[in-house]
Amino acid sequence: AQSVTQLGSHVSVSEGALVLLRCNYSSSVPPYLFWYVQYPNQGLQLLLKYTSAATLVKGINGFEAEFKKSETSFHLTKPSAHMSDAAEYFCAVSDSNDYKLSFGAGTTVTVRA
Amino acid sequence: DAGVIQSPRHEVTEMGQEVTLRCKPISGHNSLFWYRQTMMRGLELLIYFNNNVPIDDSGMPEDRFSAKMPNASFSTLKIQPSEPRDSAVYFCASSLGGSGRARYFGAGTRLSVL
Repeated sequence: AQSVTQLGSHVSVSEGALVLLRCNYSSSVPPYLFWYVQYPNQGLQLLLKYTSAATLVKGINGFEAEFKKSETSFHLTKPSAHMSDAAEYFCAVSDSNDYKLSFGAGTTVTVRA
Repeated sequence: DAGVIQSPRHEVTEMGQEVTLRCKPISGHNSLFWYRQTMMRGLELLIYFNNNVPIDDSGMPEDRFSAKMPNASFSTLKIQPSEPRDSAVYFCASSLGGSGRARYFGAGTRLSVL
C-alpha cells in the first residue's frame, strides 16, 4: 500500500522568497504523484502530476516538482512566493494498480509581506 | 467545462434530520469519489464509483451513510439520521479512469449538524 509523508505542517515564507514543500512517499510499484492546493473554503485544485514521463514536472502558478526515485521524494517548489500562494498544499500518491489516492496531512503556507 | 458541481455549498441541520448532498461530475469522467475532510482525520475516501457502480464503500462510516449514482451525471450522498459528529466538509471528485488518474474536486459541501 502506498503512503505519503509531508514534512512540516506549516511553512512561513516572505513574499519573493523560495517556497519548498517536502513530500516523501512509499509505494511498492512505480507511483503516480500529485500535488493539490486548497484555498480557504474551496475544493482541492490540481497543481501538477507525475506519471513517469519526466522527472521534473511543471505545474500551474509557477510551481514545479522533481521526482527523485532514490530519495522517494516529490518536493514542490516555487522560486518566488506571492501573497496569493497562501493556501494548504497536499501531496498524494497512487499506483497504476490501485484507484486509491493516499493524501498527506497537508502543509499550510503563509506568505509574509 | 464547468468542473465538478456540488450542492448545496453549505448545509446546517439539526441532529436526526436527513441530509442529501449532490454531485455532478465532469462530463465524460467515469469514476466518481466522495471524500470527507475534517481537521482531525484529514481527507477520507468514503466511496468510489466506476461506471455508476459502487466499487468500494469500505470508507462509509456506518449504515447511516448511503450513496447512489443513478446515471453518469449525478450522484448523491445521504446521511440519515444525521449526528453532530458528521459535521465536516464533503467533497465529490471525478476522474477519467480510477487508477493513476488525476482527480478533479468540487468546491465541497460544508455540513454542520447541530
